[in-house]
Amino acid sequence: AQKITQTQPGMFVQEKEAVTLDCTYDTSDPSYGLFWYKQPSSGEMIFLIYQGSYDQQNATEGRYSLNFQKARKSANLVISASQLGDSAMYFCAMREGGGGADGLTFGKGTHLIIQP
Amino acid sequence: EAQVTQNPRYLITVTGKKLTVTCSQNMNHEYMSWYRQDPGLGLRQIYYSMNVEVTDKGDVPEGYKVSRKEKRNFPLILESPSPNQTSLYFCASSPHRPGQGYEQYFGPGTRLTVT
Repeated sequence: AQKITQTQPGMFVQEKEAVTLDCTYDTSDPSYGLFWYKQPSSGEMIFLIYQGSYDQQNATEGRYSLNFQKARKSANLVISASQLGDSAMYFCAMREGGGGADGLTFGKGTHLIIQP
Repeated sequence: EAQVTQNPRYLITVTGKKLTVTCSQNMNHEYMSWYRQDPGLGLRQIYYSMNVEVTDKGDVPEGYKVSRKEKRNFPLILESPSPNQTSLYFCASSPHRPGQGYEQYFGPGTRLTVT
């Protein structure tokens, strides 16, 4: 079973609209972290936002917020007031455990295109 | 400037010719990792290292080797590259602080083509 599922391979959104990118995860570990990365066409991986499993509040970073619904194992990324520069691939990722291997498990990504 | 560097950035090679992709970080991070990215599959971890002389397999280690002789360097070695190793490779590092949130810092990527 996939540990990270992103159900939207691609999305077209009008500029200035809010965007929600879906991510569900699967883990039995009570300690985990959830990440979102942006990959523009230039290829680099840009960290956007982090949510820890014990965090009580949803994470926010500027125009990015993470809608964390623990019971549903959901960690959707919300981008407010989208801009043309937001066009990119977006990856949801998870790190499990508090003391073991720290590798990230990535979803397959969502290709977001912002239209003027 | 805190960064992860990879070299080369682009490489075209032939089947069977040994190659090494270097990775270096200047943040004194304990943890380093290699990922490969293929269309429709996201990033998959190849190998990781928790510290000097400590390495372990990730999800797709076949055909790769790594070493961690110094804290800052984590080279990826392909002893006998094959066309199915054509991919975009990322090196990443992070501090090892269990239980705390921290991002992984990614290098710029190495685009490898094996013909």
